[in-house]
Amino acid sequence: GENVEQHPSTLSVQEGDSAVIKCTYSDSASNYFPWYKQELGKRPQLIIDIRSNVGEKKDQRIAVTLNKTAKHFSLHITETQPEDSAVYFCAANNDMRFGAGTRLTVKP
Amino acid sequence: GAVVSQHPSWVICKSGTSVKIECRSLDFQATTMFWYRQFPKQSLMLMATSNEGSKATYEQGVEKDKFLINHASLTLSTLTVTSAHPEDSSFYICSARGRLAGGPGEQYFGPGTRLTVT
Repeated sequence: GENVEQHPSTLSVQEGDSAVIKCTYSDSASNYFPWYKQELGKRPQLIIDIRSNVGEKKDQRIAVTLNKTAKHFSLHITETQPEDSAVYFCAANNDMRFGAGTRLTVKP
Repeated sequence: GAVVSQHPSWVICKSGTSVKIECRSLDFQATTMFWYRQFPKQSLMLMATSNEGSKATYEQGVEKDKFLINHASLTLSTLTVTSAHPEDSSFYICSARGRLAGGPGEQYFGPGTRLTVT
């Protein structure tokens, strides 16, 4: 099955700064890469996803980039706000095994 | 978006008893359902994947005889923790995914079930 690694495990930024979280995967056949946000005590929510036929996708302050050759994809959050503080998980393909998660803290 | 419900939201049971958790897709047909376990401040650990009408596929290290999964219909999957012990105490989350033409589709998570075994 797919093996997904996620870095960093924790990330602290100042409000307004950008945050980047990276994931690598092992199965070159993977073609779907979602990112989920989980706030404390709540269920994970999809925030953005990308399929293998594109290299980048953007939705307001959130973007995801995909490098299929290197088998890694990244989540970019610009102009971070305190409400962006949460745990973020990446996953790859149908297996839906998640990375270890990144705890993002945005300091006001 | 699609809605997935989970019941109960929390349960306390005595060691040795069995507990059943239900996961329902309320407004779409879930061809695949996933069951996860999450310990505090840790990631979602995939336990098993089930497709409607077929046996669940369990992840390595997950005891299929202890964690019984049934996916009898396109809107309901159940996880039964048999002979529960304190180490089974955890947060269990299900997710459901419908069929999307051309590739994998988004999965929708239930609110989770907090299981405490005393």
